[in-house]
Amino acid sequence: GNSVTQMEGPVTLSEEAFLTINCTYTATGYPSLFWYVQYPGEGLQLLLKATKADDKGSNKGFEATYRKETTSFHLEKGSVQVSDSAVYFCALREYNFNKFYFGSGTKLNVKP
Amino acid sequence: ETGVTQTPRHLVMGMTNKKSLKCEQHLGHNAMYWYKQSAKKPLELMFVYNFKEQTENNSVPSRFSPECPNSSHLFLHLHTLQPEDSALYLCASSTSTTRDTQYFGPGTRLTVL
Repeated sequence: GNSVTQMEGPVTLSEEAFLTINCTYTATGYPSLFWYVQYPGEGLQLLLKATKADDKGSNKGFEATYRKETTSFHLEKGSVQVSDSAVYFCALREYNFNKFYFGSGTKLNVKP
Repeated sequence: ETGVTQTPRHLVMGMTNKKSLKCEQHLGHNAMYWYKQSAKKPLELMFVYNFKEQTENNSVPSRFSPECPNSSHLFLHLHTLQPEDSALYLCASSTSTTRDTQYFGPGTRLTVL
């Protein structure tokens, strides 16, 4: 079956630190991979996505590379800001059907 | 106007009450979804509608009853809920049910007493 596993939080960093949030997946076929972000009191917003192996998704300084050989899609950012504090969700979507499987979310706290 | 709106944003209800959650999308999408977000658990897909027709019911208890009168509106009717149903209920929409990004609303925070 399909599933997503991401590192448990919370992750606490100082401003300008390097961020990595690990995500691994199990899937049949050729899924697309996503990172969504949820700011306090808001719904999920698409952060970035990758639709095939070796694709790199990037947005707002965040990036993640679709690694089929390690079934991973780790989220990285070189220098985090206080405004990046949020919950980050890794997700996969089955090929050719819009059914998403989400990880349990990783809370990021960035301190000034 | 924001893409996907949900009302109310917060709802407190007793186990014998009947209430409804509303979702509206202004994106011209044809597919809409209900998700349940509980603390420390992955998002759970509840229902999928495509062109007003329900295409997926993810083994959701009958005390949750969805309604999709048109492609822009989605309701979740609630009756005789349990305290464990307390969660954030998220609505999402997409162009179709095949290979499209889903756009989420802000959610309704439901508390069942």
